[in-house]
Amino acid sequence: DIVMTQSPDSLAVSLGERATINCKSSQSVLSSNKDNFLAWYQQKPGQPPKLLIYRASTRESGVPDRFSGSGSGTDFTLTISSLQAEDVAVYYCQQYYSIPLTFGPGTKVDIK
Amino acid sequence: EVQLVESGGGLVQPGGSLRLSCAASGFTFTNYGMHWVRQGPGKGLVWVSRINKDGTTNYADSVKGRFTISRDNVNNTVYLQMDSLRAEDTALYYCTRNNYYDVWGKGTTVTVSS
Repeated sequence: DIVMTQSPDSLAVSLGERATINCKSSQSVLSSNKDNFLAWYQQKPGQPPKLLIYRASTRESGVPDRFSGSGSGTDFTLTISSLQAEDVAVYYCQQYYSIPLTFGPGTKVDIK
Repeated sequence: EVQLVESGGGLVQPGGSLRLSCAASGFTFTNYGMHWVRQGPGKGLVWVSRINKDGTTNYADSVKGRFTISRDNVNNTVYLQMDSLRAEDTALYYCTRNNYYDVWGKGTTVTVSS
């Protein structure tokens, strides 16, 4: 199984400042067609998760451009360039390269 | 509107069974693999099972042999038959589509307790 880890567990960022979340997979999720099978989700309390990023860096339709994803192979980053109040949530990375599909443990983002 | 609506959750005793349903609408159901993902109280997300477009299935080790996923392409519905339920199966069960989950239902709650 591919184990996903995230850091930090939680972070508090001032409004308008940058938030950076790291995700690491225990094996490469880079496919033979050069796509990284890595997604990012945002989950607010009482709501289902929402897809933000897939293929490591492709923003889902309707997601604000302050959210960006980067990385390849085993190391990935989600960046919120200018934190807004509505971005308070838990963020999860997920690999869909191989079964079982696995999620990271989540990173809680709060306002400082 | 693309939508997934789960139902069938409830309170069941250990060793009991439940069948979850997920009704899909607003998209061509047969074009997508469908998944169940669960989230225990205060916990993270855990993949449970997948059924591909061609009907082939996969399961997490924790549910293999106890859960069965199926799909009805006429009624655009995916099911999760859960047998031999354990306390650790207590969770909110979400239905999702695709391998990166672009659409989620609101979930249905399963509680396994005596």
